Order: sequence, then structure tokens, then C-alpha cells
Amino acid sequence: DTEVTQTPKHLVMGMTNKKSLKCEQHMGHRAMYWYKQKAKKPPELMFVYSYEKLSINESVPSRFSPECPNSSLLNLHLHALQPEDSALYLCASSQVGGKETQYFGPGTRLLVL
Amino acid sequence: EDQVTQSPEALRLQEGESSSLNCSYTVSGLRGLFWYRQDPGKGPEFLFTLYSAGEEKEKERLKATLTKKESFLHITAPKPEDSATYLCAVQDDKIIFGKGTRLHILP
Repeated sequence: DTEVTQTPKHLVMGMTNKKSLKCEQHMGHRAMYWYKQKAKKPPELMFVYSYEKLSINESVPSRFSPECPNSSLLNLHLHALQPEDSALYLCASSQVGGKETQYFGPGTRLLVL
Repeated sequence: EDQVTQSPEALRLQEGESSSLNCSYTVSGLRGLFWYRQDPGKGPEFLFTLYSAGEEKEKERLKATLTKKESFLHITAPKPEDSATYLCAVQDDKIIFGKGTRLHILP
């Protein structure tokens, strides 16, 4: 099973709202990732968690706050977003070390009004 | 500076017309090269991982090859359902994506 699930599939929020994106995997992977993808562009790495600890933050604005409650779950908390934050948000997971192929979820399509 | 360049940016083929997509890379220490397929509005779907020059992998109509400087994704006798964006990514310290090749197969 190479499935990564993400909820919700679609999200519309105002600039004053607080919302959360959720990601789950049951492949025993100990690395999890958040990416942002704009239309016709490649995914851009935002955050990496390794063994439930934040290991990479690609200078992401503080209005995006990641959380890794356990080895299977990854959240992305959103607050005071801007319209330019509208994008497809992708979660991925992989093993740590050795074969580090990343498996992606279906994404959450976010629209900020 | 680590770089991944995919060509062509877009490719239109007739059904059954075989072709190849290119991914050239410059990284200090290759730990893996990945090919993904992405349909519009969906997450990338894993296709192949290649680790060393000379390695080849196949899946249905797709075959991926790797040299020290580039990888090719060969598509044989494509069908309209093969239409998608194909992403190449390379990993040294972290993963770097190319901009993708948009492939359109005409029936």
C-alpha cells in the first residue's frame, strides 16, 4: 500500500480564517513533507519532518504552521493567509535514508478570498 | 548550483507515435532520480526511481534510463490516457524538481 491521504480535497477560506490541512500515511514512513504547487509549476518544498521533528523549513511565512502529532499524521495550520497563497498543497512521505522515494497524496486545492 | 532541466516543455504526439522525454541534471551527489506522472489538479503519481548510471526500469509503455548526466523517459506506442505532465526530480541533500514536460497524445 503506497497511499497517502489528504483532507479536505478543496478548501475556500477568507483572509481572517483559521483552518487546517491534514495528511495521513500508514506505510511506516518516518519522513513527511509539505509542498505548495501553483498551476503549471513544479512542487515547491515547504517543510520536512523526520522522526516527527521539523528538519527543514524553507523560509515559509509564519502564517503556515506545520505540526506532526505522530509518525502517521501531518497537519498544516493556516492563519491570516493571502490570496497569493491559493494553490494545491501536497503532502508526501518517504523512508529516511536508503530508498527515499517520496509518495504523494492527492492534494488539497486551497482558495483564499 | 544543483539544477534539473526537463525538455521539451510540451510535446504533442499521435497515438502510437513513440518518443522520449529528457531530464538533465547537475548535482553534487546523486542519491536518486525520480519520475512522476501528474494529472491536472492531482498529486504526482510515482513511476520510477533510478539510483545509478546504466540502470533501467520499465512499466507498461514507459521505460526510464539513467546516465551520469541525464535520464530519459521513453514512451512506446502511447495512448491518449498517457497524456499528463511528467515530472523528473533529483535528490542529493534534498529533492529538486524539474519544471515538467506536458505530454498530449492525440487519438
